[in-house]
Amino acid sequence: DAEITQSPRHKITETGRQVTLACHQTWNHNNMFWYRQDLGHGLRLIHYSYGVQDTNKGEVSDGYSVSRSNTEDLPLTLESAASSQTSVYFCASSAPGQGNSPLHFGNGTRLTVT
Amino acid sequence: RKEVEQDPGPFNVPEGATVAFNCTYSNSASQSFFWYRQDCRKEPKLLMSVYSSGNEDGRFTAQLNRASQYISLLIRDSKLSDSATYLCVVPSNSGYALNFGKGTSLLVTP
Repeated sequence: DAEITQSPRHKITETGRQVTLACHQTWNHNNMFWYRQDLGHGLRLIHYSYGVQDTNKGEVSDGYSVSRSNTEDLPLTLESAASSQTSVYFCASSAPGQGNSPLHFGNGTRLTVT
Repeated sequence: RKEVEQDPGPFNVPEGATVAFNCTYSNSASQSFFWYRQDCRKEPKLLMSVYSSGNEDGRFTAQLNRASQYISLLIRDSKLSDSATYLCVVPSNSGYALNFGKGTSLLVTP
């Protein structure tokens, strides 16, 4: 069965370190997204991609970057981790279409920045 | 108006009750909407898609009112297992991503 997997499931890092969260999907979806979820804010879009070599900033992109070198993967990099980036991160993918396709989510990565 | 806004909740209802959540959106051009269910510390999962005036799936009914720009989710005969957070999802104003509401928490009690 097709799926979307995130790794690691949990990560503790120190302020200032570079951290990369992995996301891999076998749906063969063109669209991939990264969200963060915090109490009181719901899910907020960080970055998204509509295909290989395409990346776009979302609502809360500062301090984050992504790259899309193939269809299956969209790694999220925190260039210099800050305590404000402690959160739960969800990767998602969807079939092509402008906002009219539902998202399939990974299990999430719980990141703590100390 | 915010891109998507939901009833704040929480909703505490007894088993067997009928409960409804509302969600308003700002993008009048939106053609598709979704309700997701999220259990504590888990990923959101698609509950229903709404592409026209409404959709029904068993005990769950989603309705769309384009004139007033809101969608609703009705749950009949609530079960304990329905306890979760329900997220309203609409296309962003840019049309290229989906925006999530903050969610409405439902607790069904015995």
